[in-house]
Parts: sequence; structure tokens; C-alpha cells
Amino acid sequence: EIVMTQSPATLSVSPGEGATLSCRASQSVGSRLVWYQQKPGQVPRLLIYGASTRATGISARFSGSGSGTEFTLTISSLQSEDSAVYYCQQYNNWPLTFGGGTKVEIK
Amino acid sequence: EMQLLESGGVLVQPGGSLRLSCAASGFTFSSFPMAWVRQAPGKGLEWVSSIKHNGELPFYADSVKGRFTISRDNSRNTLYLQMTSLRVEDTAVYYCTKGGHSYNPFDSWGQGTLVTVSS
Repeated sequence: EIVMTQSPATLSVSPGEGATLSCRASQSVGSRLVWYQQKPGQVPRLLIYGASTRATGISARFSGSGSGTEFTLTISSLQSEDSAVYYCQQYNNWPLTFGGGTKVEIK
Repeated sequence: EMQLLESGGVLVQPGGSLRLSCAASGFTFSSFPMAWVRQAPGKGLEWVSSIKHNGELPFYADSVKGRFTISRDNSRNTLYLQMTSLRVEDTAVYYCTKGGHSYNPFDSWGQGTLVTVSS
């Protein structure tokens, strides 16, 4: 099983600042890495797939990068609506596995 | 508009059985793989099971293998999850998702249905 490790667990950022979230895979997943956003009380939403492709309707403030075992989600110019838990997930190998999530708080 | 509507979540005793359903609309259901993902209260996301567009090649998480069965009826645009020998640790919101097989991400999610396993 591929273990996905996200860091940090919690990130507190001021409005207008940027945030960098990390996701590490225990073995290579190529570019088959996605990022989801889950706001409090809401359903997860696909943000990024293929490590760097934004899903339909996702703001250009969200960008993904990386390949192999190291991945990054960058959120620029944070807004209050970005307060959420962000999960990475690999879809290269069975079982499909998620990271534990990074909670982004807006100061 | 694409919609996934889960149903069937209830309170059930340990050892009991349950079948979840997911009614899909707004897209060509028979063309896409589907999956179930769950989230225990206050916890993260856990993949449960996936199935190809044609009902072949189901996969399961080790935690549910041998107890849960995923299936689909493309004539009814419906995805199912048959759950048996339920355990307290199966308590979670179960989400129906589009994708999750054949190198497809979970690109759309239903609102979820709560399964509570408790005596």
C-alpha cells in the first residue's frame, strides 16, 4: 500500500498571503495525484488532477506541481473561502490512498 | 446537471447488513467507473471500493474485503454497496463518487449517506 503523507497538519495564513501544502508518497505514483478541498460540513471537491491540471471551474489561484513522490499544492492570495481541509490522493496503484489532510485556517 | 444521490444509510447493529444505493443522473452513467469513499466522524477520507463502467473488475479496501460488495445496474443508472458483517468501525458517511477506477480520479461526489453501526 502506498502511504500518502501530508504536511503540515495545520496551516494558519493571513488573507492575501500564499500557502504551500506538501504531499509525499511512499513510492512513485508518477503524475497520478489529485488534490481535493473539503470545506466544513461540505462534500469534497476535486481541485487538481494529474498532479497539475486544474479541474473545471477551479480558480487559477490553485496550482499543483510535482511528480513521482513529492507533490505541492500552492494557493495564492488566500481568501476566507479557502478555509478548508485539503487532501491529496494517489490513483496509480491499488488500494487508492489518501493523505491525512492539511487544515488551512485563515487568520 | 450531474447528480449523485445516495440512500440507505441507517443505524444498524454490529454484525448486521445494509445496502446503499446511489442514483446517478445528468451524465452517461454506463460510460464511467464509479466508487464509494467513506469518512468516519471527524476523520479523513478512506477509499472503500471501485467498479469499472461495465461492472467488471471490482476492487476493495482490505478493511472491507470479503464483507462488502460493489455492483451497478446501468439500466437503472444506479450504483450499490452491499455491506455485511458490519462493525463499529464501519460507522461513516459513505460518498458515491464518479471515477475511481482505470486511472480516473474521483471527479464528482454525492452528498453522502450516514451509516452508524452501534448496539
